[in-house]
Amino acid sequence: ETGVTQSPTHLIKTRGQQVTLRCSSQSGHNTVSWYQQALGQGPQFIFQYYREEENGRGNFPPRFSGLQFPNYSSELNVNALELDDSALYLCASGRTGVDEQYFGPGTRLTVT
Amino acid sequence: GQQVMQIPQYQHVQEGEDFTTYCNSSTTLSNIQWYKQRPGGHPVFLIQLVKSGEVKKQKRLTFQFGEAKKNSSLHITATQTTDVGTYFCARPGAGGTSYGKLTFGQGTILTVHP
Repeated sequence: ETGVTQSPTHLIKTRGQQVTLRCSSQSGHNTVSWYQQALGQGPQFIFQYYREEENGRGNFPPRFSGLQFPNYSSELNVNALELDDSALYLCASGRTGVDEQYFGPGTRLTVT
Repeated sequence: GQQVMQIPQYQHVQEGEDFTTYCNSSTTLSNIQWYKQRPGGHPVFLIQLVKSGEVKKQKRLTFQFGEAKKNSSLHITATQTTDVGTYFCARPGAGGTSYGKLTFGQGTILTVHP
């Protein structure tokens, strides 16, 4: 198992609400990336953080935002939740110069 | 675009049979990675291939990277029930500052019947 942890495990929210998901990176890793995995699909890259700044974003709207803290932990914030935001949200940590990613167990978000 | 196409989408095998999944890109890849996701789990890194024509083995798993670095395959010999899961290939983002910004294929769901 990786040293990447995520909280909470499951979350149920109502359309229009806001949500914050948390991730603690593996020791020695300095990048953190977030992915959205809809049921039956491969993970989709949301964004990556490095040195506490966003370092690349996938095709996701601005209502998806994040933070990286000095201890390399990270948050994913989603505003104005929509039904299609229901998915497994995966945090992955890595190191600069290395492509392989180590995923956490994910947070299952359900929007009703 | 920078998509990777993976086939087949599903594969059902009897325990002991072999399994192969293929990953194809329209553009040359700097590397290709393979991940396994067990049902209800998260993607777990298996391997990264970098060199043209590279072949790597992990016990019953054989990974290949094409000569043109546009395709890759994962072959499992004599499948076991523990091999059940979804196998994804993933390509990195373009550019020197894009490490880890992966684009995943659609995955191949492997079912093994005992």
